Amino acid sequence: GQNIDQPTEMTATEGAIVQINCTYQTSGFNGLFWYQQHAGEAPTFLSYNVLDGLEEKGRFSSFLSRSKGYSYLLLKELQMKDSASYLCAVRDSNYQLIWGAGTKLIIKP
Amino acid sequence: MAGITQAPTSQILAAGRRMTLRCTQDMRHNAMYWYRQDLGLGLRLIHYSNTAGTTGKGEVPDGYSVSRANTDDFPLTLASAVPSQTSVYFCASSDSGGANVLTFGAGSRLTVL
Repeated sequence: GQNIDQPTEMTATEGAIVQINCTYQTSGFNGLFWYQQHAGEAPTFLSYNVLDGLEEKGRFSSFLSRSKGYSYLLLKELQMKDSASYLCAVRDSNYQLIWGAGTKLIIKP
Repeated sequence: MAGITQAPTSQILAAGRRMTLRCTQDMRHNAMYWYRQDLGLGLRLIHYSNTAGTTGKGEVPDGYSVSRANTDDFPLTLASAVPSQTSVYFCASSDSGGANVLTFGAGSRLTVL
């Protein structure tokens, strides 16, 4: 079966750095996405990786290793507004998105 | 209006009743999707439409139906609601090129009693 694994919850301190991991086992691979979802709101797109390596976008970076079935989202200079759930999703060989259950990130002052 | 509009925002429904969740987009995206989100689970695809006039079944289609009469609208109907359909429902759309990034509506919280 297809599976996306992410930690359920993480806690970090304002101003610090946090890394949220995502491992996947899917039928084929056509890209990996990270979305941010604040409580009670819709998911919003953060990043997309289709090739191995690091994609940097301001305070957020996303890394992909296709051979390891592994990605991480790196958040730097954490702010209170970064408290949210972070969803990892993989597009499989049928171009369907498989979603992880999300990682709830709690930022403490 | 910009993006995706869903209605209603929230609804409490008696089991056995029929319910239609509305979804309208103004981005001229070809593809549209309906997901449900339940605590502890990833988003699960109910139905999708790659273009107006076509629809397809996702991971959890039973008990739900959709139509796509035009590009903008993609309603989701529960013919006879059951308590297990209590969930938050998200409509999303994507364009046809590039990464096919999804844009989501604000969600419809449905409670079936």
